[in-house]
Amino acid sequence: AQSVTQLGSHVSVSEGALVLLRCNYSSSVPPYLFWYVQYPNQGLQLLLKYTTGATLVKGINGFEAEFKKSETSFHLTKPSAHMSDAAEYFCAVSVYSGNTPLVFGKGTRLSVIA
Amino acid sequence: SAVISQKPSRDICQRGTSLTIQCQVDSQVTMMFWYRQQPGQSLTLIATANQGSEATYESGFVIDKFPISRPNLTFSTLTVSNMSPEDSSIYLCSVAVADNQPQHFGDGTRLSIL
Repeated sequence: AQSVTQLGSHVSVSEGALVLLRCNYSSSVPPYLFWYVQYPNQGLQLLLKYTTGATLVKGINGFEAEFKKSETSFHLTKPSAHMSDAAEYFCAVSVYSGNTPLVFGKGTRLSVIA
Repeated sequence: SAVISQKPSRDICQRGTSLTIQCQVDSQVTMMFWYRQQPGQSLTLIATANQGSEATYESGFVIDKFPISRPNLTFSTLTVSNMSPEDSSIYLCSVAVADNQPQHFGDGTRLSIL
């Protein structure tokens, strides 16, 4: 079985500061890992994914994440927060990239303070 | 990625009634997934819909309560039956256009039960 733990249900940063959202996973097989963002009254938008290969993955809107197998982590970072980054962020894991169900973490709400 | 359209985008329903949610994709896909997002919570998989076969339901979800149809490779419906206030949630469908591609989501259906 797979599971995802997101540390911190709410993270608040100042505009221009580093964003760090934490995600740890549990998987009995090599995982496929994803970060999604949900803006108010919208569905989920894929930020980035890790399947195989390079462990540092870059996504949209300046976000990136690093897969660390030894730490079972997939933390999301952005060097400089923008007001438009305020949203709910979900980490998810599956056993395959596409046609298998996703298991989501509980989500982290990011607030950006001017 | 696919363009996924969900209808309705939101609805307010009376207790005891049923609502059918539609999910239309602009390309043919093997699997379609239905998730529920209860207020302030993460996403939970309801069922996986494969064209030409019965949907596969997750623990805690039953066909009588959430019947699903999958008549072709671009369309699926989820019905929420005999609704109660506990069914107030966002219901989202997702697809992957290929096995090696990530899932993308529709904008969701925001359902409130009075």
